[in-house]
Amino acid sequence: EAGVVQSPRYKIIEKKQPVAFWCNPISGHNTLYWYRQNLGQGPELLIRYENEEAVDDSQLPKDRFSAERLKGVDSTLKIQPAELGDSAVYLCASRSRERGYEQYFGPGTRLTVT
Amino acid sequence: KQEVTQIPAALSVPEGENLVLNCSFTDSAIYNLQWFRQDPGKGLTSLLLIQSSQREQTSGRLNASLDKSSGRSTLYIAASQPGDSATYLCAVPRGGADGLTFGKGTHLIIQP
Repeated sequence: EAGVVQSPRYKIIEKKQPVAFWCNPISGHNTLYWYRQNLGQGPELLIRYENEEAVDDSQLPKDRFSAERLKGVDSTLKIQPAELGDSAVYLCASRSRERGYEQYFGPGTRLTVT
Repeated sequence: KQEVTQIPAALSVPEGENLVLNCSFTDSAIYNLQWFRQDPGKGLTSLLLIQSSQREQTSGRLNASLDKSSGRSTLYIAASQPGDSATYLCAVPRGGADGLTFGKGTHLIIQP
């Protein structure tokens, strides 16, 4: 079974530029999460999707961040415009409700804003 | 608001030792707790998930226990090996939603 796929793995951009991250969850996993991990910290939830519906986006900075999960499979997280403080690792995770609560994480995208 | 604390923040031990990593959480109304491993520059690998109805869970040399009433979990690693060197994170679901709240992790180094 293929794991959670994320791309790109690394991204370096200048502040005020836009950036997008892509995630392909494990096949059949209906729940998808985006987390942000700052250096030396644990991941923090940004948004959770159940199929194509965003059911928890309370931690997403909506002035500059947006996300979508069209057709309830792949998801894209966008930042526009990026700020220096957005430098972090962005992690995608997925879960199958039918197979319990265990979350499976992708390798992450390391974003550096200069 | 759920808060998760992990002690110690860092640990360095010689190979072969048994060791215990600690995790505490402020809201005991959880329905599971998950332990993860993170290697440098990599994503998170799930190690063990303990349901609230369970007291412990075992996988190979790893044993995780859960005491909901006291808000604590421990991860026991037996006969440590250099390959166990990594950051270990514990996490519990956030309140009524099921996104996870993580601790900051324990950075473990096993000396050959």
